[in-house]
Amino acid sequence: AQTVTQSQPEMSVQEAETVTLSCTYDTSESNYYLFWYKQPPSRQMILVIRQEAYKQQNATENRFSVNFQKAAKSFSLKISDSQLGDTAMYFCASFQPFNAGGTSYGKLTFGQGTILTVHP
Amino acid sequence: DADVTQTPRNRITKTGKRIMLECSQTKGHDRMYWYRQDPGLGLRLIYYSFDVKDINKGEISDGYSVSRQAQAKFSLSLESAIPNQTALYFCATSDLYALGDTGELFFGEGSRLTVL
Repeated sequence: AQTVTQSQPEMSVQEAETVTLSCTYDTSESNYYLFWYKQPPSRQMILVIRQEAYKQQNATENRFSVNFQKAAKSFSLKISDSQLGDTAMYFCASFQPFNAGGTSYGKLTFGQGTILTVHP
Repeated sequence: DADVTQTPRNRITKTGKRIMLECSQTKGHDRMYWYRQDPGLGLRLIYYSFDVKDINKGEISDGYSVSRQAQAKFSLSLESAIPNQTALYFCATSDLYALGDTGELFFGEGSRLTVL
């Protein structure tokens, strides 16, 4: 079974500064994907960034980047030049494909979430 | 309009009442999921479905049932609601997983349920 752990319930950062959110995961599979989702007060789940486990290069999306350490099973999110709109709950998630009754599915396992507050 | 629509957005009910949360999607995806979000626990999978004939239990299905009325509709029912089912519920969809797909799920806006 997959597990995803976020050990920081809350984080805060000053506007324009950089912050890193931590995530560790555990899986016995070789084929999996990792995600960071953002949940603002509107409750919408927004995909921030994704990482394919077979890729060594760390994913980057504008101000968001990850530090993917496969051997250590670590997947941290770095937010540069933090903005007030980055204030949200952030979830780390692991996607694993599996088969049930001959049909392929993908299961997304989430961490507990980290509340990030960006201060002006 | 949202690609994945959940109704109601918010609902307050009493212990023992039957509640149905509805989800419809216009993305044309085969796979649909129901997740539950609780503080400090993240999101946990309740049920998932490939099509109207294919329903599967997730990790926390006790006390819940689902119905896949059509490819685009997936409903979650609480037959007799209890207070510890107070939570934020999300419906999600995904396309057929194939080698190379990144497994992105597309979420509705959530249904907040309070059971008194």
